[in-house]
Amino acid sequence: GAVVSQHPSRVICKSGTSVKIECRSLDFQATTMFWYRQFPKKSLMLMATSNEGSKATYEQGVEKDKFLINHASLTLSTLTVTSAHPEDSSFYICSGLPITSGPDTQYFGPGTRLTVL
Amino acid sequence: SQQGEEDPQALSIQEGENATMNCSYKTSINNLQWYRQNSGRGLVHLILIRSNEREKHSGRLRVTLDTSKKSSSLLITASRAADTASYFCATDMEYGNKLVFGAGTILRVKS
Repeated sequence: GAVVSQHPSRVICKSGTSVKIECRSLDFQATTMFWYRQFPKKSLMLMATSNEGSKATYEQGVEKDKFLINHASLTLSTLTVTSAHPEDSSFYICSGLPITSGPDTQYFGPGTRLTVL
Repeated sequence: SQQGEEDPQALSIQEGENATMNCSYKTSINNLQWYRQNSGRGLVHLILIRSNEREKHSGRLRVTLDTSKKSSSLLITASRAADTASYFCATDMEYGNKLVFGAGTILRVKS
């Protein structure tokens, strides 16, 4: 199956700093990638849809200036949490939608655990 | 907003027993998918059922879909300790590719 990687897998940062999380599709190209957030023992919440070469589409209630998304190539999308605060601590998961497959085939990364002190 | 709701929220069974999890949703869908998530890990796709299908099997998994009731069930037969995980249903809107995840069921299979 298609593989999506995320880097880093875990990150701890100080409050006020910015953190960048990478999402890569390793063996397929993805014009669309999705970013999700998951709180402990909770479900995944879609944050934004990342489209290669264009601006990301954010879900209601998600601050686009806080969570910067860049999808510069068909295999890489990045999420930057700017001026991070403890409430941004969460598990961030991305997924990629292969160009060549149907619209209902998303492949998920292993997630990134962010802890803001 | 989350449209999928699962029940039970948590389920604890003995190895060898069957586990049934239910999911309800609110709007029309193209398909419904079930995923598994081991603690602190990413999602593993289990099975997809389309809106025009009523039942689907994959190994020890059986999924049903009732679009009139806007509900689905996931049955895991002959459960194993390795099935211990969280299980989520996810629906896609009829337009676009976005998935909406349910709250999830935490399954614990005791050996």
